[in-house]
Amino acid sequence: EAQVTQNPRYLITVTGKKLTVTCSQNMNHEYMSWYRQDPGLGLRQIYYSMNVEVTDKGDVPEGYKVSRKEKRNFPLILESPSPNQTSLYFCASSPIPGTGKNYGYTFGSGTRLTVV
Amino acid sequence: GENVEQHPSTLSVQEGDSAVIKCTYSDSASNYFPWYKQELGKGPQLIIDIRSNVGEKKDQRIAVTLNKTAKHFSLHITETQPEDSAVYFCAASLISNFGNEKLTFGTGTRLTIIP
Repeated sequence: EAQVTQNPRYLITVTGKKLTVTCSQNMNHEYMSWYRQDPGLGLRQIYYSMNVEVTDKGDVPEGYKVSRKEKRNFPLILESPSPNQTSLYFCASSPIPGTGKNYGYTFGSGTRLTVV
Repeated sequence: GENVEQHPSTLSVQEGDSAVIKCTYSDSASNYFPWYKQELGKGPQLIIDIRSNVGEKKDQRIAVTLNKTAKHFSLHITETQPEDSAVYFCAASLISNFGNEKLTFGTGTRLTIIP
């Protein structure tokens, strides 16, 4: 089944304790992205990656890091989490336009992070 | 950068009636406009999209219209059913053959279908 898998689904952590949210896709998509969803603000892009070793900042990158060492994986790293990073996080992937594939994002099921 | 506004934020519709959600965008260069449906506890799912060279697209009970001049696009759901209850997001993006840079989302519409 074509899917984007995020782990964990739920996470409660303390301020300053480094954490990683994993994201993996099995569709051989070039493009991957992380979004956070907050009430009244919709989905805001944190980071995106056009391909292996190619990443760039989205709208709200502060406090986050990403890496893209393999095509299928795109982990989100919070080096020193703070309470304002409490949110619902989504990973998404899509093919690159012009490759002949139907273009559109596939989202993971989300990770609800609480930082206390 | 792109700014997408979405209205209304909540919408209640009697089962069987139609629902319309409207979005406006700011960047005239945007050329791709998808709509996503998010059910409780799940990630957003693409339900329909439209490119800027098309004015309308339909898929069964769902249709999207685009007015490039006015920079607005709308989602139309006809003959609504209880399973249409969800949060709907519009989005806008500039894409090229080299890839998408950023998909900017609206703030969402919570649609409730009243049985």
